[in-house]
Amino acid sequence: DAKTTQPTSMDCAEGRAANLPCNHSTISGNEYVYWYRQIHSQGPQYIIHGLKNNETNEMASLIITEDRKSSTLILPHATLRDTAVYYCIVSGLNSGYALNFGKGTSLLVTP
Amino acid sequence: GAGVSQSPRYKVAKRGQDVALRCDPISGHVSLFWYQQALGQGPEFLTYFQNEAQLDKSGLPSDRFFAERPEGSVSTLKIQRTQQEDSAVYLCASSFLDGQETQYFGPGTRLLVL
Repeated sequence: DAKTTQPTSMDCAEGRAANLPCNHSTISGNEYVYWYRQIHSQGPQYIIHGLKNNETNEMASLIITEDRKSSTLILPHATLRDTAVYYCIVSGLNSGYALNFGKGTSLLVTP
Repeated sequence: GAGVSQSPRYKVAKRGQDVALRCDPISGHVSLFWYQQALGQGPEFLTYFQNEAQLDKSGLPSDRFFAERPEGSVSTLKIQRTQQEDSAVYLCASSFLDGQETQYFGPGTRLLVL
């Protein structure tokens, strides 16, 4: 039972910002929003996570709406190496520890 | 520092053979997880260890699957009498303390059962 909804696929031009949306309308108060990505033939790579405040690190920014029912992962200047499947995952005390990956969004960055 | 490592990276087995897949977690990480990823799908949880204790094995698909972590560090996932439907990528992840923390994944072992 996926707790998040993501578009199946997206395209982005190299150098532009990639904005990946995620809906998580049933998120509970102590659950975090995690983002991972998986480049072809590699293991999932942790990107960022947040509870309710916006977060930024060297890889990306995470914008969480005030009601916490949706979020957006922003890759500010996408490169060809950002082509991957991006997974938005809700996880916390109530969810247990098993990450529920779902199908993710396949992001294609084009030259 | 070193991340999670897994070996072998690729394994071909004949149907009916037993296989053993190894995971070396990040040094000092208490929690260890195994996931299975079928082609075109997201990873799915198999089992979870905290130190040497297997706290959850609810995701193991059958009693042919067995995991252990005897000294609380390296873990082995064993599949007995492999079947074609066991063909998948097997991913290992570790986290620093309990299972609520960020999980860091290894590169996976790609198993093909012929």
